[in-house]
Amino acid sequence: GQNIDQPTEMTATEGAIVQINCTYQTSGFNGLFWYQQHAGEAPTFLSYNVLDGLEEKGRFSSFLSRSKGYSYLLLKELQMKDSASYLCAVRDKWNNFNKFYFGSGTKLNVKP
Amino acid sequence: EAQVTQNPRYLITVTGKKLTVTCSQNMNHEYMSWYRQDPGLGLRQIYYSMNVEVTDKGDVPEGYKVSRKEKRNFPLILESPSPNQTSLYFCASSPGQGYSPLHFGNGTRLTVT
Repeated sequence: GQNIDQPTEMTATEGAIVQINCTYQTSGFNGLFWYQQHAGEAPTFLSYNVLDGLEEKGRFSSFLSRSKGYSYLLLKELQMKDSASYLCAVRDKWNNFNKFYFGSGTKLNVKP
Repeated sequence: EAQVTQNPRYLITVTGKKLTVTCSQNMNHEYMSWYRQDPGLGLRQIYYSMNVEVTDKGDVPEGYKVSRKEKRNFPLILESPSPNQTSLYFCASSPGQGYSPLHFGNGTRLTVT
């Protein structure tokens, strides 16, 4: 399998900015995804990077550096509803087909 | 509406009683996969399928079976469930090629006593 690391838990204040990091090692990198998951619910897709650089989507941005095996998810203007787990996932190309590998997730606690 | 549908949402059963969790997608996706999620361990892949009649083991296949007789359906079968299979299960699908993300079902919380 692949090695994907992200912090277990983070805490931030409502209205602030938080950055969640993800490092990975993969043999056939074909994209990095970020998912949001509220407790007991299904993961929902947030953002995707396949090339180096920053992708911005409203309050959420994601950055990728393929040479460093590094990505981060940036959440701005934090709201209480952003309290959730954030999953980093790498898509690996294997035999011309895609497989997904997930990190253990970062639990974000947003405090008033 | 494009979706992945899992049933049931909740299931409590006893050790050894065979059960099936169904998964269906209406997006004509080639790739389908089953994951289990346990505290501190993240999403772990059980089985996946690249297309009809093509399945392969993921990272934690022991105690599970799958089948892919039709493109839209990918049931997960536990022939003889044990308490260590108590977990939250997710089915997911994706086009086999291109850059689309995985789409997840709503999950099945299974308790084996």
